[in-house]
Amino acid sequence: AQSVAQPEDQVNVAEGNPLTVKCTYSVSGNPYLFWYVQYPNRGLQFLLKYITGDNLVKGSYGFEAEFNKSQTSFHLKKPSALVSDSALYFCALKPGNTPLVFGKGTRLSVIA
Amino acid sequence: KAGVTQTPRYLIKTRGQQVTLSCSPISGHRSVSWYQQTPGQGLQFLFEYFSETQRNKGNFPGRFSGRQFSNSRSEMNVSTLELGDSALYLCASSPTGAVGKTSYEQYFGPGTRLTVT
Repeated sequence: AQSVAQPEDQVNVAEGNPLTVKCTYSVSGNPYLFWYVQYPNRGLQFLLKYITGDNLVKGSYGFEAEFNKSQTSFHLKKPSALVSDSALYFCALKPGNTPLVFGKGTRLSVIA
Repeated sequence: KAGVTQTPRYLIKTRGQQVTLSCSPISGHRSVSWYQQTPGQGLQFLFEYFSETQRNKGNFPGRFSGRQFSNSRSEMNVSTLELGDSALYLCASSPTGAVGKTSYEQYFGPGTRLTVT
């Protein structure tokens, strides 16, 4: 079965420090992986995607994600966190021509 | 380009009533998907439409239905509302939903917050 796991409900990081939001996946076949961010009372905003090619994917707002096939992971990273990065982050998997499968979400809190 | 729009943004209904939510995708996008977001269940897929045809359906009861029009606008309907239907309903559009073209990201609207009392 196709699934996405975000093992941390909450991540706290100090402003200026690097941040990592973890995501692991399970899929048969090639994974199409996505990260989305949701601010309060808003829809989801696309950050980045991995389809094929370089394992390090760069996205919006300085975020990047590293695809690791052997560890079936797609962790979201940012070198220097901002208070404005505080939001709910979702990892998602698209297994072929089927709907997106979302993780439960990780709430990121960046403390000034 | 204008983003995905959803109307209304907020809605309060009573148990047993029905509701219709509307979604206008980004211009040129032919694929529209609907999701239900709740604190307990997270994001759950409802339906996906492409060129007026339902291509995928999530695990929801028959009270939940949808459709897509020739201009790609979509509506979803929930009949006989229950308290548990209170949620944020998100619509997303994608540049294409054609078979074989599955790598495109989805663009989400702001959602409709439905409260059932």
